Amino acid sequence: GESVGLHLPTLSVQEGDNSIINCAYSNSASDYFIWYKQESGKGPQFIIDIRSNMDKRQGQRVTVLLNKTVKHLSLQIAATQPGDSAVYFCAENPGTASKLTFGTGTRLQVTL
Amino acid sequence: DARVTQTPRHKVTEMGQEVTMRCQPILGHNTVFWYRQTMMQGLELLAYFRNRAPLDDSGMPKDRFSAEMPDATLATLKIQPSEPRDSAVYFCASGSGGGLGGYTFGSGTRLTVV
Repeated sequence: GESVGLHLPTLSVQEGDNSIINCAYSNSASDYFIWYKQESGKGPQFIIDIRSNMDKRQGQRVTVLLNKTVKHLSLQIAATQPGDSAVYFCAENPGTASKLTFGTGTRLQVTL
Repeated sequence: DARVTQTPRHKVTEMGQEVTMRCQPILGHNTVFWYRQTMMQGLELLAYFRNRAPLDDSGMPKDRFSAEMPDATLATLKIQPSEPRDSAVYFCASGSGGGLGGYTFGSGTRLTVV
């Protein structure tokens, strides 16, 4: 898959450090959010999701935080590894049927 | 691992030709999406289906694009006639209704129209 956008925000993190990727969403009616990871030449891969009745959810090395007041979502990756280098997208379900709207993406670069 | 299969992986065609992209969703998934990804626009939803019925194709240029699900194991996206501006990566994704657990994406079809 292509990297998205000529001006993709880029986060550069040293291996072993924690990463925080942020996303602002626009639709206050959105009730479900997903983080996807996209590596070069591949389709987006599901990482973690969260419903609007939660403000935090943890997975393996990843945590998603949801702040509905300011319509903000973040993905935290603990002990970032070179394999985490990719473009990360947040996606929201605006509450109508099941369609997802994707954000523009953030490129995560892990340096050794 | 269950996966969404898209064919072809790459397609180069001349302007004006018909292009057909195919997707085999994961068995048991009842919701299928078509997305287009470009450098400028990012991931755009073109159309999606629930139980093979089209629910929303408002993101698709109707004059040249069409999406169908002839059966539960096949979704198609056709462009006729193709134009250079259609050059992009087209992704199919499938999931269960409600979206819980996210949707599984295929590897995409990279389309180049010259």
